[in-house]
Amino acid sequence: SQTIHQWPATLVQPVGSPLSLECTVEGTSNPNLYWYRQAAGRGLQLLFYSVGIGQISSEVPQNLSASRPQDRQFILSSKKLLLSDSGFYLCAWSASTEFPVSAPQHFGDGTRLSIL
Amino acid sequence: AQSVAQPEDQVNVAEGNPLTVKCTYSVSGNPYLFWYVQYPNRGLQFLLKYITGDNLVKGSYGFEAEFNKSQTSFHLKKPSALVSDSALYFCAVRDGGFSGGYNKLIFGAGTRLAVHP
Repeated sequence: SQTIHQWPATLVQPVGSPLSLECTVEGTSNPNLYWYRQAAGRGLQLLFYSVGIGQISSEVPQNLSASRPQDRQFILSSKKLLLSDSGFYLCAWSASTEFPVSAPQHFGDGTRLSIL
Repeated sequence: AQSVAQPEDQVNVAEGNPLTVKCTYSVSGNPYLFWYVQYPNRGLQFLLKYITGDNLVKGSYGFEAEFNKSQTSFHLKKPSALVSDSALYFCAVRDGGFSGGYNKLIFGAGTRLAVHP
């Protein structure tokens, strides 16, 4: 079966420090991968998505970047964190082998990021 | 433009009673609809989806959802609520008429379900 792992689960970082959050998927090949941010336990904002290695699309211009160095690895980064980067970051995958419109996204358990 | 609305910020239900969490959508093409549940400090879990066919879709944990094309709604239902159903519920839609390489999911703002003993 397929599983998705995110780490760390929680992170406290000072303003201006760098960030690296990692997400890996097991049990599937060539997944579509997504990074979301959830503010205040409510709505989800899509940040980045990837349909293949090295292929990253950004939804919202911001202080963050994403990379996909391997097929099932998705990394969210920042060179200098801002206070506004605080939130709950969720990684998700969907099967590229399914008809795109009907494929559900499957989420990791998230990283809660607090900026001080 | 695609959009999805969850008109209730919170729904309160007594254990054993039926529950409904409302969702309406707006798309240009055929709608592809999903429900997710989120427990505290966890990711979203997929519950069910509507693609085509029968308007009543059955999903995980005894949940079902009814697709109504004329009312552009996709309400989540359960015949008998459990205290353990208390969580945050998200409706999401993909627009089948939108040409996107990854087919973006649009999420509602979420509805908090509280089931009281």
